[in-house]
Amino acid sequence: DAKTTQPTSMDCAEGRAANLPCNHSTISGNEYVYWYRQIHSQGPQYIIHGLKNNETNEMASLIITEDRKSSTLILPHATLRDTAVYYCIVRVTGNQFYFGTGTSLTVIP
Amino acid sequence: DAGVIQSPRHEVTEMGQEVTLRCKPISGHNSLFWYRQTMMRGLELLIYFNNNVPIDDSGMPEDRFSAKMPNASFSTLKIQPSEPRDSAVYFCASSEINYGYTFGSGTRLTVV
Repeated sequence: DAKTTQPTSMDCAEGRAANLPCNHSTISGNEYVYWYRQIHSQGPQYIIHGLKNNETNEMASLIITEDRKSSTLILPHATLRDTAVYYCIVRVTGNQFYFGTGTSLTVIP
Repeated sequence: DAGVIQSPRHEVTEMGQEVTLRCKPISGHNSLFWYRQTMMRGLELLIYFNNNVPIDDSGMPEDRFSAKMPNASFSTLKIQPSEPRDSAVYFCASSEINYGYTFGSGTRLTVV
């Protein structure tokens, strides 16, 4: 599976949109982009995933560039409860999830 | 749905003792995964099962670690003998094959 690069940490003001970038320049055509987050002391939680098209659900939006070499997870109105480590993972269906170091997002009041 | 259930939540044991961690996956999920998380190494995949059969145990650190899945609703991860460097949070996750994972709340293991 392709490797991903994420910033180590980010801050976001409460109520504002949090935009978390992920670089996956070596992604192949059959690899999906997944996002998970881990709130302190809890197990990772699935957020969203996509292949080519932008995706949106009740938690977040996923924007994938046309060349699929990068993506952005958007939390539209960040709350204090969104403070967590966010993992971007690219994965071929059927392969396992390997977690990198992720981005530590701090939402500031 | 109660989600993935792990027990115990916390375990403190002395070096050399046997430790058994338990996991009940979500009913209907046919894949189960054991991960270990430490500050130094992050989240590491130890082993996973499809339909109760171990598929890949290459992440198991050494022979002191073993995992079983006797049926679709139960799995164990055993460490014997335990060592202080095994101290970590151990997560179990389950999924339907080819879908995203649902993680349990983890077992925090401390070996003194």
